[in-house]
Amino acid sequence: NAGVTQTPKFQVLKTGQSMTLQCAQDMNHNSMYWYRQDPGMGLRLIYYSASEGTTDKGEVPNGYNVSRLNKREFSLRLESAAPSQTSVYFCASSNNLAGVGGDTQYFGPGTRLTVL
Amino acid sequence: RKEVEQDPGPFNVPEGATVAFNCTYSNSASQSFFWYRQDCRKEPKLLMSVYSSGNEDGRFTAQLNRASQYISLLIRDSKLSDSATYLCVVTNFGNEKLTFGTGTRLTIIP
Repeated sequence: NAGVTQTPKFQVLKTGQSMTLQCAQDMNHNSMYWYRQDPGMGLRLIYYSASEGTTDKGEVPNGYNVSRLNKREFSLRLESAAPSQTSVYFCASSNNLAGVGGDTQYFGPGTRLTVL
Repeated sequence: RKEVEQDPGPFNVPEGATVAFNCTYSNSASQSFFWYRQDCRKEPKLLMSVYSSGNEDGRFTAQLNRASQYISLLIRDSKLSDSATYLCVVTNFGNEKLTFGTGTRLTIIP
């Protein structure tokens, strides 16, 4: 099992460009998450999907959109990148049951994004 | 006040020593607690869950104090490979979202 995979590993964008970060998991997990990690800020939740067909905003959703394409895949889109979106982006998945929560999250290796 | 607070460190500890750090949380309704470990430029990985009765996994001991709203992590006989950032994580019942602390950086010195 590959676990959680993310593409690309690195990306440099110019302000105003768009891009999609891809995430896939092969653990048959219900829930998937997108985080960003900045120095001194810790991991902050951007969006999550508790189950296939649902998405919800996290702590810092502005400037991002997501798509839960199927149970395996959860993508994050930056429509018009800004320098403030320079960060490391992590995707995660877990086998949370709706309404229970608190299960272990498994993270992908991250995407390092720089917006110039 | 942040929902989860940790001393960022760094803690510089000689090999073989015992080190402990705490994490405080603000929401008394918090239900589940974890310690994650993150190596430099890598993804976070679960180190251990924290149970009300406390739990031990080899050299690692985690404890929960609900009355004072903190969790702790104790590492005995520290190894060079223990050098990492340790993230405190809290979640609430019925909530699929985890709340992460900013992490405590630990460096084990030979």
